[in-house]
Amino acid sequence: AQSVTQPDIHITVSEGASLELRCNYSYGATPYLFWYVQSPGQGLQLLLKYFSGDTLVQGIKGFEAEFKRSQSSFNLRKPSVHWSDAAEYFCAVGVRGGNTPLVFGKGTRLSVIA
Amino acid sequence: NAGVMQNPRHLVRRRGQEARLRCSPMKGHSHVYWYRQLPEEGLKFMVYLQKENIIDESGMPKERFSAEFPKEGPSILRIQQVVRGDSAAYFCASSRDNSGNTIYFGEGSWLTVV
Repeated sequence: AQSVTQPDIHITVSEGASLELRCNYSYGATPYLFWYVQSPGQGLQLLLKYFSGDTLVQGIKGFEAEFKRSQSSFNLRKPSVHWSDAAEYFCAVGVRGGNTPLVFGKGTRLSVIA
Repeated sequence: NAGVMQNPRHLVRRRGQEARLRCSPMKGHSHVYWYRQLPEEGLKFMVYLQKENIIDESGMPKERFSAEFPKEGPSILRIQQVVRGDSAAYFCASSRDNSGNTIYFGEGSWLTVV
């Protein structure tokens, strides 16, 4: 079965600084990979996804993520963080085909300071 | 095109009462997933349904919890005889098919058991 690890529970960055949120997955084949963002009291919004092709994927709000097969990673990056980016970020892994639901990591809470 | 609709958004129940959470998937989506989010934890898969069928209920507690997705109407997650530990956010998501494609989340239903 697939699994996802987000090693960082909480990260604090200064506004304008760069950001990288880590995600490692465990799955025998090439998975589908997703990043979702959740603001307090809200549902999850899809930031970006990787299915195949170019390993660097662009998402909404200036985010990007890179799939690295050799490292089983799908880290999320943003060159310059805005205060409105403060939220919880979830990485998820899906399986190609079949009836297997997405598996989520425990999330990384991002705080942004002035 | 309306997104995934969940209601109620907030629900308060006394211990021993029943909670019913409703989810209407996005238009054109016939696959529904329920996830539970406990404080400081990620999303835990509960159940995956297609119209009139339960595909995977491996994440749902064997007692007191049930889910359905009838031919007509929304999907229902039902919790009987609620206990304090059932207090959580319950998220519904939907997808067009089961190919591992993107799932889209609703805003969630926050259940508080007093």
